[in-house]
Amino acid sequence: QQQVKQSPQSLIVQKGGISIINCAYENTAFDYFPWYQQFPGKGPALLIAIRPDVSEKKEGRFTISFNKSAKQFSLHIMDSQPGDSATYFCAAMAGTASKLTFGTGTRLQVTL
Amino acid sequence: GAGVSQSPRYKVAKRGQDVALRCDPISGHVSLFWYQQALGQGPEFLTYFQNEAQLDKSGLPSDRFFAERPEGSVSTLKIQRTQQEDSAVYLCASSDFRSAGETQYFGPGTRLLVL
Repeated sequence: QQQVKQSPQSLIVQKGGISIINCAYENTAFDYFPWYQQFPGKGPALLIAIRPDVSEKKEGRFTISFNKSAKQFSLHIMDSQPGDSATYFCAAMAGTASKLTFGTGTRLQVTL
Repeated sequence: GAGVSQSPRYKVAKRGQDVALRCDPISGHVSLFWYQQALGQGPEFLTYFQNEAQLDKSGLPSDRFFAERPEGSVSTLKIQRTQQEDSAVYLCASSDFRSAGETQYFGPGTRLLVL
C-alpha cells in the first residue's frame, strides 16, 4: 500500500526555471511532511519540512505548499540551478520520533 | 560534529551468506532508524530503536533480518541466509527530538549486492 504518491517520476527544467514536484498522502494521522534531496551514492538530506498548521513555508529558493483538505503538498524550486540536479523525495511522519514514509522519488535534471 | 556513518559502504555476498551492516549514529541521538532503498525507489522503513530498545520492527521483511543496538549507540543490521531480493542500499538515520525535532539525519548507506 503506497501511502505517499509522488509525481512526476522525472523532470527536466532549464536553468533559471521553476521545478515543481507534487505529493499526495492518504493517512490523516500524518502531521510532519519533509522533503529530502539525494545525490548519487549519498544518503538523503533534509531540504525543507512543513507541519499542517501552515499552508506554505519558504526557505531560500525552496517553497513547500500544503493543502490539508486535499491531502496534497508540493515542492517548488525557484531559479533552478544545475547543482539542484538530484533525486527528490517527499515523506510523511505521524507523531514525533517516528518512521518516515517516503514517496517514490523524482529525478530532477536542470539543463544549462 | 560528525554525521551518521555506515560500514561497509559496499558489500558483495553470495546467496546464503550472512552479512552484518554497521551504523554509527550522531553522538547523543537517542533515535535510530534503518531503511531499505531498492534501486530507483524511495527508502522503506525497516526498524526503529529508542536508545537500546527496539520499539518498532514492523518493516523487517522476514525473520532473516535482525537488528540490535545493545548499548544505545552503535547499531548492527544482520541479514541471515541472504537472497538476491535482499540486494539494496541499507540506510541508517538518527534523530533526537529533544534537540533537533523530527529531523532524521541519514548516513551514506551500505550497498548490498547478493549474487
